[in-house]
Amino acid sequence: EVQLVESGGGLVQPGRSLRLSCAASGFTFDDYAMHWVRQAPGKGLEWVSGISWNSGSIGYADSVKGRFTISRDNAKNSLYLQMNSLRAEDTALYYCAKSPGIVGALIDYWGQGTLVTVSS
Amino acid sequence: EIVMTQSPATLSVSPGERATLSCRASQSVSSNLAWYQQKPGQAPRLLIYGASTRATGIPARFSGSGSGTEFTLTISSLQSEDFAVYYCQQYNNWPPPTFGQGTKVEIK
Repeated sequence: EVQLVESGGGLVQPGRSLRLSCAASGFTFDDYAMHWVRQAPGKGLEWVSGISWNSGSIGYADSVKGRFTISRDNAKNSLYLQMNSLRAEDTALYYCAKSPGIVGALIDYWGQGTLVTVSS
Repeated sequence: EIVMTQSPATLSVSPGERATLSCRASQSVSSNLAWYQQKPGQAPRLLIYGASTRATGIPARFSGSGSGTEFTLTISSLQSEDFAVYYCQQYNNWPPPTFGQGTKVEIK
């Protein structure tokens, strides 16, 4: 069974940093691209960032480019999102998500999310 | 960036009735279109990919159609568990892949 468990969310002041982690299990992690997708309270889904199986292809939404960094450690079956210079508009539930291929942005499994609140 | 527009924003349907949801892309996405279902307090779930292929375990009452810029999700006979928010997503051009704003299917 595919499991994606996010952690690292919390309350943080504007301008500060936070690192999200996603522990993956139930599949061969290094065979698949991975993504972060967020959902602001009461709003729709927004893709944040994605990374291919070998980290050779990485993409970011314009809203986070230059502030967020996605990475993965295939030896630890883990995905990360380093978030710097956080803003109030970054407040959201952040989902870790898996693609069914080594690259690409189709998502077949989602974690339950970790909540990030940016507020003073 | 490709803009995905869903309509209607809210669809009121009685149980057992048919629901038809629309998704339009601002430019062609070929058949690289997915539909997701999200219930309150839950993560999204993949329903349809490739515009018309049901994901594993998805009931046959869910069907998808379309290509290019116009897509439809049809739920043939709504069950109580189908009342939720539905999102379309294009994954043809990325980054970024983009989602529609969602259609809420509510009980009439």
